[in-house]
Amino acid sequence: DAGVIQSPRHEVTEMGQEVTLRCKPISGHNSLFWYRQTMMRGLELLIYFNNNVPIDDSGMPEDRFSAKMPNASFSTLKIQPSEPRDSAVYFCASRPERLAREWSHEQFFGPGTRLTVL
Amino acid sequence: AQSVTQPDIHITVSEGASLELRCNYSYGATPYLFWYVQSPGQGLQLLLKYFSGDTLVQGIKGFEAEFKRSQSSFNLRKPSVHWSDAAEYFCACMNSGGYQKVTFGTGTKLQVIP
Repeated sequence: DAGVIQSPRHEVTEMGQEVTLRCKPISGHNSLFWYRQTMMRGLELLIYFNNNVPIDDSGMPEDRFSAKMPNASFSTLKIQPSEPRDSAVYFCASRPERLAREWSHEQFFGPGTRLTVL
Repeated sequence: AQSVTQPDIHITVSEGASLELRCNYSYGATPYLFWYVQSPGQGLQLLLKYFSGDTLVQGIKGFEAEFKRSQSSFNLRKPSVHWSDAAEYFCACMNSGGYQKVTFGTGTKLQVIP
């Protein structure tokens, strides 16, 4: 298994531009998470999908941020317009659905996308 | 709301020395607890987890952690640190019912000196 795949790995853009981050979760995983990591705020959950449906988007900073999961194998996080304070590493993670107590509840993280907004 | 506190932002230990990273959680019931490790430029990787049962759990890379309900703690330990253990370590808490949201601590950066 290739693990969680994120693209691009690095993105440099100018303030005001639209940015789209992409994630392919591990096949068979039903939950998907988007996180943002900064030195100041640590690791923050932005949004959580279960079976392609957004369950908790309370961490999305503002209307400039949007996330979609059109199918079980793909998700996007879009920032429009981008601002310098959005500069961070954005992680996508997936987790298999809980079916029994033996399931680990482990989240599998992708390598992240380092976003720099100038 | 649940929360996780890692009081040490940065720790330096000598190679071969023992290690203990602190983690305290706040949650109404017994949560599920995790330790993750993040190497530079990488995503997070699970070291170990606690759900129930034996309060001393073993993980990968020689790490262990002990759940202490009375202290609301889940400290990570390793008897002898290797240079390759230099990384950032995150404690996390997940509520055991309903929406299983995971809350991460702010992380502890471990430096290993020769």
